[in-house]
Amino acid sequence: GAGVSQSPSNKVTEKGKDVELRCDPISGHTALYWYRQSLGQGLEFLIYFQGNSAPDKSGLPSDRFSAERTGGSVSTLTIQRTQQEDSAVYLCASSPQDRGEQFFGPGTRLTVL
Amino acid sequence: DQQVKQNSPSLSVQEGRISILNCDYTNSMFDYFLWYKKYPAEGPTFLISISSIKDKNEDGRFTVFLNKSAKHLSLHIVPSQPGDSAVYFCAASEGSGNTGKLIFGQGTTLQVKP
Repeated sequence: GAGVSQSPSNKVTEKGKDVELRCDPISGHTALYWYRQSLGQGLEFLIYFQGNSAPDKSGLPSDRFSAERTGGSVSTLTIQRTQQEDSAVYLCASSPQDRGEQFFGPGTRLTVL
Repeated sequence: DQQVKQNSPSLSVQEGRISILNCDYTNSMFDYFLWYKKYPAEGPTFLISISSIKDKNEDGRFTVFLNKSAKHLSLHIVPSQPGDSAVYFCAASEGSGNTGKLIFGQGTTLQVKP
């Protein structure tokens, strides 16, 4: 079956612009997570969705970051007024429940010039 | 505050030998641990997991050992193959009632030489 997909695969933007990153989880997976990986670092948790609700947003680094999920499926991560330190690979993962193995997408590489 | 640490950034082993990747954690509330493998330009792929009620879990060439008293886990790959060359991340999550979010180590780059 289809895995987690993310788009775009690469995004180059200028400082100060807004960007939207999309995640299509595995069908039927109720839990969805966003992480980011900065250069040479491990994955850093950003936000967790259960259905369309986000009970844990503790990892969002600033109020420039927001995310939503609609129909219990697709999720969009929005970064407003991008800064150079936002440059990273943004990874989405889904899971059939809120514990256990998470299935990751290929990520979106964001470069802020 | 790094709750999950992989202190070896890289490891090189010969094909056929054992690879041992180590991971330490500080949060005693962690009760579920996972290892992921990552190739360049791909998302992490799940390898193996272990619950805190166990001290060992085996799946083919991969075995994970958990030492709760030392807050230490390790991944053993035997025998190592060139295709195992990748970045390996350990991850941990807290007990029931939590969101299941994973806390990752920084990763260890494994190179298996033919």
